[in-house]
Amino acid sequence: DIVMTQTPLSLSVAIGQSASISCKSSQSLKYSDGKTYLNWVFQSPGQSPKRLIYQVSKLDSGVPDRFSGTGSETDFTLKISRVEAEDLGVYYCCQGSYSPNTFGAGTKLELK
Amino acid sequence: EVQLVESGGGLVKPGASLKLSCVASGFTFSDYWMSWVRQTPGKTMEWIGDIKYDGSYTNYAPSLKNRFTISRDNAKSTLYLQMSNVRSEDTATYYCTRGIAAGAYWGQGTLVTVSS
Repeated sequence: DIVMTQTPLSLSVAIGQSASISCKSSQSLKYSDGKTYLNWVFQSPGQSPKRLIYQVSKLDSGVPDRFSGTGSETDFTLKISRVEAEDLGVYYCCQGSYSPNTFGAGTKLELK
Repeated sequence: EVQLVESGGGLVKPGASLKLSCVASGFTFSDYWMSWVRQTPGKTMEWIGDIKYDGSYTNYAPSLKNRFTISRDNAKSTLYLQMSNVRSEDTATYYCTRGIAAGAYWGQGTLVTVSS
């Protein structure tokens, strides 16, 4: 199975600051069709998960452009510029390139 | 508006069977792959498996494929997860999602607690 390693596991930020989360996969996520199926999912406290980004950098509908995803092969980053209170919660990376699909352990974004 | 509504969870004894449902609305259900994902009480996310839009192909996490079965009824816009011989480690909130892996839409989840 592909192991997804997220760092840090916890991140304290002040409102208005930026935040960056790393996700590394144990093997390249570039699929045979040339696409890389790396998603970012967000879960606010008490809510269902919600996908923010798919295929490394494509924002889902309604996701603010304060969010951005970068990376390739095995190294990926989620960046949030100008963190807002509604951004606090847990962020997971998830690979859908190879079965079984796997998730990172999650990064908890908290208020400083 | 896309909606996914899971049901069927509850308290079950070890070794029992349980069938979860996910009713979809707001989109053409038969056009999409669908997946099940679970989240443990410790918040770990685990992909269970997925099913092709016409139900002709399923894919499972190897550790679960002998006990869990995914199916769908496109006429009813409903996705199913049949769980058998459940264990304490199956205690989790179960989500259906539209698409593969972490899909664009998730339901509210249904809690399954396995305990004697």
